Amino acid sequence: DIQMTQSPSSLSASVGDRVTITCRASQRIASYLNWYQQKPGKAPNLLIYAASTLQSGVPSRFSGSGSGTDFTLTISSLQPEDFATYYCQQSYNTVTFGGGTKVEIK
Amino acid sequence: QVQLQESGPGLVKPSETLSLTCTVSGDSISKSSYHWGWIRQPPGKGLEWIGHIYYSGSTNFNPSLKSRVSMSVDTSKNQFSLRLSSLTAADTALYFCARRSLSDFQWFDPWGQGTLVTVSS
Repeated sequence: DIQMTQSPSSLSASVGDRVTITCRASQRIASYLNWYQQKPGKAPNLLIYAASTLQSGVPSRFSGSGSGTDFTLTISSLQPEDFATYYCQQSYNTVTFGGGTKVEIK
Repeated sequence: QVQLQESGPGLVKPSETLSLTCTVSGDSISKSSYHWGWIRQPPGKGLEWIGHIYYSGSTNFNPSLKSRVSMSVDTSKNQFSLRLSSLTAADTALYFCARRSLSDFQWFDPWGQGTLVTVSS
């Protein structure tokens, strides 16, 4: 099984901050990495697929990078609606999700 | 606009079998471009992939759940279903259905709103 490890598990940030979340795979997964945002009580929402491709309708302040084992999700200027939990998901070999990163208001 | 909606019992007894259905609107479940999947989330925890099914009936399951999971598809009703047997309290979770792209990178989008299942006597 491919394990996905996200860090940090939570972070506190202010509106306007640049935020970076890391996802590490236990083996190389090329660019088979997707990112989701989940707000409390809601279903996850696809943000980025193929490591760096922005899903239609997602604000350009979100970006993804990486390949192989190390990936990042960056929010260039945190907005009030961005406070949520973020998950990575690999699709190289079946499906595994990371443990999540909760972004909280500082 | 594609929408998915889960339905099923909110409370199930230990050792029993859970049956959930996902109804798809705005798209045909028979399209060859997609899998149809189930993901769950225990209260306060992360996401766990359960498995997915193709319209032809072919399936792929999480190895940790494989012995207890089955899935089916009803193309006439545009629905797919999940059955999970031998339930324990650890199966208490919010259960989501989602469409999974069959492109190279196989993301899940969109998702249903989720249905909370509690396993308790």
